[in-house]
Amino acid sequence: ETGVTQSPTHLIKTRGQQVTLRCSSQSGHNTVSWYQQALGQGPQFIFQYYREEENGRGNFPPRFSGLQFPNYSSELNVNALELDDSALYLCASSLAGGTGSYEQYFGPGTRLTVT
Amino acid sequence: AQKVTQAQTEISVVEKEDVTLDCVYETRDTTYYLFWYKQPPSGELVFLIRRNSFDEQNEISGRYSWNFQKSTSSFNFTITASQVVDSAVYFCARSGSARQLTFGSGTQLTVLP
Repeated sequence: ETGVTQSPTHLIKTRGQQVTLRCSSQSGHNTVSWYQQALGQGPQFIFQYYREEENGRGNFPPRFSGLQFPNYSSELNVNALELDDSALYLCASSLAGGTGSYEQYFGPGTRLTVT
Repeated sequence: AQKVTQAQTEISVVEKEDVTLDCVYETRDTTYYLFWYKQPPSGELVFLIRRNSFDEQNEISGRYSWNFQKSTSSFNFTITASQVVDSAVYFCARSGSARQLTFGSGTQLTVLP
């Protein structure tokens, strides 16, 4: 158990809809990263939040957006869902800065299916 | 893009055999970090190890060992005396100064009883 939680576990949406996924980071961690893992592939980096600011973004369109809250929990929002957005969405928390080791600990993921 | 390559898509071994999972990475960073994660069927990525680019010492943890060779840009993972519970997808990953992880495509390991 990493202490990183994600909700919901599973979600089914229709093309064109919007979705919000949530992540609670491990206690003491100040950084949250989001990854998309399509079936049979490795996770792909979406973006990272450090102390409520976006701190890096992968090759994903602007309809993927996020937030980090003062308690370091985070949301991933996806607008105008497409069929290709069907994937496992993974959240990872880490401690950055100072003596932080930057090791990322992952939550169980949210399985999103777009029909 | 600074890629991570795991050429072995699937490996199948019989319990108690040793197995090595290969990982080759590209990097332009002077300082970088290499990782291995295990993903069982439940889906959660389990952290196994992190190595810093300036520390080429090999590491052993129980039945697991890692061989980091900068000269060949490789970070291989060996499981000794494999067990059925080792069956999972294993991912190698790297991060540089940006701290974001770049993953390989994974190796599906099946350990047969």
